[in-house]
Amino acid sequence: DAGITQSPRHKVTETGTPVTLRCHQTENHRYMYWYRQDPGHGLRLIHYSYGVKDTDKGEVSDGYSVSRSKTEDFLLTLESATSSQTSVYFCATGEGTDTQYFGPGTRLTVL
Amino acid sequence: ILNVEQSPQSLHVQEGDSTNFTCSFPSSNFYALHWYRWETAKSPEALFVMTLNGDEKKKGRISATLNTKEGYSYLYIKGSQPEDSATYLCAFNTDKLIFGTGTRLQVFP
Repeated sequence: DAGITQSPRHKVTETGTPVTLRCHQTENHRYMYWYRQDPGHGLRLIHYSYGVKDTDKGEVSDGYSVSRSKTEDFLLTLESATSSQTSVYFCATGEGTDTQYFGPGTRLTVL
Repeated sequence: ILNVEQSPQSLHVQEGDSTNFTCSFPSSNFYALHWYRWETAKSPEALFVMTLNGDEKKKGRISATLNTKEGYSYLYIKGSQPEDSATYLCAFNTDKLIFGTGTRLQVFP
């Protein structure tokens, strides 16, 4: 168990409001990732980080931003939430291209 | 866009049956192929990371093979048990993981 927590675990919000999801790890892994999971799509990468202040876009980055000010925390922000961003969000950590360890997920509903 | 395909999408088997499913991935620029097990309401857990053509990995009743030249990997479960019910994901490794949509396995007692 890689010691990854996500907060909040559940959130309901309204269209147009900003939302920030937090991922916290205790394993000192260099890489951190944010995925979304939707029926029929599996896991899709939103953004990832390869070090403090080093981030890059994934497959579905539009409408999302991230920040990593310290090794253990990776924040995902929806600047203005839309209903299409209703999803389950998973954070993962790892060392480069090795195994990734996943957090418990955050269920976000945008009304 | 790199495509990782898994088949079948879902599978229902009886307890004790052996089963297998397929992951297809690009055969060029191969680095590694990952298998994850994902139980409902939990998060994905790593099963195997496979890097060499012809690789075979085993964990209990679950095993996997890899053919990088033709771009496929098989996951086998011998003597399926109800606790094996889960979605099995494969992921192709470039500089990031590209996940397939998974095979959902249900094992009935």
